Amino acid sequence: AAGVIQSPRHLIKEKRETATLKCYPIPRHDTVYWYQQGPGQDPQFLISFYEKMQSDKGSIPDRFSAQQFSDYHSELNMSSLELGDSALYFCASSRSGPLYEQYFGPGTRLTVT
Amino acid sequence: GENVEQHPSTLSVQEGDSAVIKCTYSDSASNYFPWYKQELGKRPQLIIDIRSNVGEKKDQRIAVTLNKTAKHFSLHITETQPEDSAVYFCAASLAGGTSYGKLTFGQGTILTVHP
Repeated sequence: AAGVIQSPRHLIKEKRETATLKCYPIPRHDTVYWYQQGPGQDPQFLISFYEKMQSDKGSIPDRFSAQQFSDYHSELNMSSLELGDSALYFCASSRSGPLYEQYFGPGTRLTVT
Repeated sequence: GENVEQHPSTLSVQEGDSAVIKCTYSDSASNYFPWYKQELGKRPQLIIDIRSNVGEKKDQRIAVTLNKTAKHFSLHITETQPEDSAVYFCAASLAGGTSYGKLTFGQGTILTVHP
């Protein structure tokens, strides 16, 4: 079965640089969620989209922005990167309706040096 | 906002024993409670979930119970195997209003199953 695809899988950036993370949801899934997971931490919700509209917002810094496109893929744009942004970034997708299961992608490991 | 507490933080059992992980949540409106298993550096994998209109759900060696009155839910793993060793996260979700299914996770439980 098709799974959530994330690219790139690994990304190394320097402080103050920008990064773009991409997420391709499971086919027919129209809701996308972004989570950030630091070392030894639980995943923290950043932002979500339903039918290309932002549906919820969590602890996402103002330096980050995201959007969902007409093909339902989503991109997380991160600017003015800080050392503390180093983390695993997961995208999850689900079908219509918030009670449907969320399936996670393999994640993007971002390292800021 | 929602707050989820998970205990214990570490759990060590012998192969074949049972393991129980407990979570409490703060928002009585939460209505969806999934459990995820995460191996080191890998994605969280959904292993079982329960909705607020159900008190218990079982899938082979894994079961989840929900007590809405007490606002707690638990994961039960029977006949544990070494491959069950991982970090387990509980989560809670509120559907409706301004929330659209975002998950609030517990702090995680490191389960180690000794052969």
